[in-house]
Amino acid sequence: KAGVTQTPRYLIKTRGQQVTLSCSPISGHRSVSWYQQTPGQGLQFLFEYFSETQRNKGNFPGRFSGRQFSNSRSEMNVSTLELGDSALYLCASSLEAGGADTQYFGPGTRLTVL
Amino acid sequence: GESVGLHLPTLSVQEGDNSIINCAYSNSASDYFIWYKQESGKGPQFIIDIRSNMDKRQGQRVTVLLNKTVKHLSLQIAATQPGDSAVYFCAESHFNKFYFGSGTKLNVKP
Repeated sequence: KAGVTQTPRYLIKTRGQQVTLSCSPISGHRSVSWYQQTPGQGLQFLFEYFSETQRNKGNFPGRFSGRQFSNSRSEMNVSTLELGDSALYLCASSLEAGGADTQYFGPGTRLTVL
Repeated sequence: GESVGLHLPTLSVQEGDNSIINCAYSNSASDYFIWYKQESGKGPQFIIDIRSNMDKRQGQRVTVLLNKTVKHLSLQIAATQPGDSAVYFCAESHFNKFYFGSGTKLNVKP
């Protein structure tokens, strides 16, 4: 079974731009969670989608948004990029939502904001 | 427990020795725990999990121990190999989401 895939793997943007990241979960998984990983803060939860509905949200500004499609693929959007948004963005998929089931991570998208 | 901006502790072990990585979790309501391994430039990889109704679980070369009394989780790696070198972190589940520890860097010396 194929694992979680994320595209693109690397992105370089400038301040003020916006970016869209994509995540394809493991086949059959309906939950997709997004995380931001930085050296100083570790893994920070952004949001979780399950069956096209946002189930949970972390403490990030409204510039961070996401959505999930009927095939469970998910996208994350960051608008008006800031230097501090430079990070590894990880998505994880699981069968069930809400931390009830094992989350499997993708390789991440490395975003650099200049 | 919940991720904080901490200096990453490092554990150095000799190849072939056993490794023990510890994690203090934050919430007594946490009912599900996972250990992940993250190699440089890669996403976290699932190693082993345990639910709160258990205190020990074994996998291939790995054992997870859960002590709910002191809110402590440990990962034991038997016969540590150079390929085990990575950052290891624990995740706890409560309030409908996962919270991640900051991790421990395991350095295996040949």
